[in-house]
Amino acid sequence: DIVMTQSPDSLAVSLGERATINCKSSQSVLYSSNNKTYLAWYQQRPGQPPKLLIYWASTRESGVPDRFSGSGSGTDFTLTISSLQAEDVSIYYCQQYYSTPWTFGQGTRVEIK
Amino acid sequence: EVQLVESGGGLVQPGGSLRLSCAASGFTFSSYSMNWVRQAPGKGLEWVSYISSSSSTIYYADSVKGRFTISRDKAKNSLYLQMNSLRAEDTAVYYCARGRYSSSSGPLDYWGQGTLVTVSS
Repeated sequence: DIVMTQSPDSLAVSLGERATINCKSSQSVLYSSNNKTYLAWYQQRPGQPPKLLIYWASTRESGVPDRFSGSGSGTDFTLTISSLQAEDVSIYYCQQYYSTPWTFGQGTRVEIK
Repeated sequence: EVQLVESGGGLVQPGGSLRLSCAASGFTFSSYSMNWVRQAPGKGLEWVSYISSSSSTIYYADSVKGRFTISRDKAKNSLYLQMNSLRAEDTAVYYCARGRYSSSSGPLDYWGQGTLVTVSS
């Protein structure tokens, strides 16, 4: 199984400041035959189901604000919130869909400082 | 508008069975793969099972293999999860989630609100 490890487990950021979340996979999730990276990011607000933010490591889902961006390749990935808003208080998960079982990171809690 | 509505959760004794349902609307159900993902209280997300659009491909997490069965009904636009031999560690909110593609791997682009399954005596 591919193990997904996120860091940090939690972070507190001031409104308007940048938040950066890291995700590392135990093996590459780049599929060489199509050059696609099978990595997604989800946001889970309190009491809500997860919401897809980013897929193919860096493609923003329709309707997601452009302050959210994804980057990285191979085994190391980053979700960046360029200017934190109050509504961004959530737990964020990375997920690999390269091979079953699909696996998620343990989550990173983002709070307002 | 895409909607996924889960039902069938509840309290069940260890060793018991439960069948979850997910009613889909707002999209062509038969064109998308579907998944079940669970979240134990206060914990992270765990993928449980996948079924392709045609039901030809099915996958399970090792933790539920042999005990859970995923299925879908095109006529009823519904996804199901038959859960047998339930254990305390199966206690979780179970989410129905749509796969982006019909049969190839992709992100989970829509999620239901979830249904709580509690396994306890």
